[in-house]
Amino acid sequence: AQTVTQSQPEMSVQEAETVTLSCTYDTSESDYYLFWYKQPPSRQMILVIRQEAYKQQNATENRFSVNFQKAAKSFSLKISDSQLGDAAMYFCAYRSVYGGSQGNLIFGKGTKLSVKP
Amino acid sequence: DTGVSQDPRHKITKRGQNVTFRCDPISEHNRLYWYRQTLGQGPEFLTYFQNEAQLEKSRLLSDRFSAERPKGSFSTLEIQRTEQGDSAMYLCASSPGLAGRGDTQYFGPGTRLTVL
Repeated sequence: AQTVTQSQPEMSVQEAETVTLSCTYDTSESDYYLFWYKQPPSRQMILVIRQEAYKQQNATENRFSVNFQKAAKSFSLKISDSQLGDAAMYFCAYRSVYGGSQGNLIFGKGTKLSVKP
Repeated sequence: DTGVSQDPRHKITKRGQNVTFRCDPISEHNRLYWYRQTLGQGPEFLTYFQNEAQLEKSRLLSDRFSAERPKGSFSTLEIQRTEQGDSAMYLCASSPGLAGRGDTQYFGPGTRLTVL
């Protein structure tokens, strides 16, 4: 079974600075998807960025980028120029591309990011 | 596109009562997922629909839980004889169900259940 581990329960960053959130996962599959979701306080979860395992190039979305290390099974999220609105819980998630799991997401426990003005 | 909606947003009930939650997916999304999120944890998969067919259920989904998606549109999740351990946020997500690699899940705001 696949597992996702986020080892940083809480992180803090100064506004305009850069922060990196860590995620490791365990799988025996060679092809899969990885995601970072953001869950602001009392608001719904939204997709930040996704990475396809077969792609070597790291995904980027504006101020958000990932460092995908397939051999190390590591998938970290870098937030550049942090803004107050980035404060939220961040969840790393894994999704198989094979049948059986039917595409359900496997989440880590999350990292709570605080942004200091 | 109005997003995934869930109703009610909050539900407080007494132990032993039955509760039902509703999820309206993004229109034309043929996949619908239910997850449960307890305090301090990430969401955990409960069950999944492809159109009206319930294709997978997690071992977390005890016999007291039942889900339906009649006509492949909205879905309901019912919990019978609620227990205090059922207190959690129940999240619904939908995805287009695109073949190949294009499928992304979009989440609703969740229903927070408190069992007294």
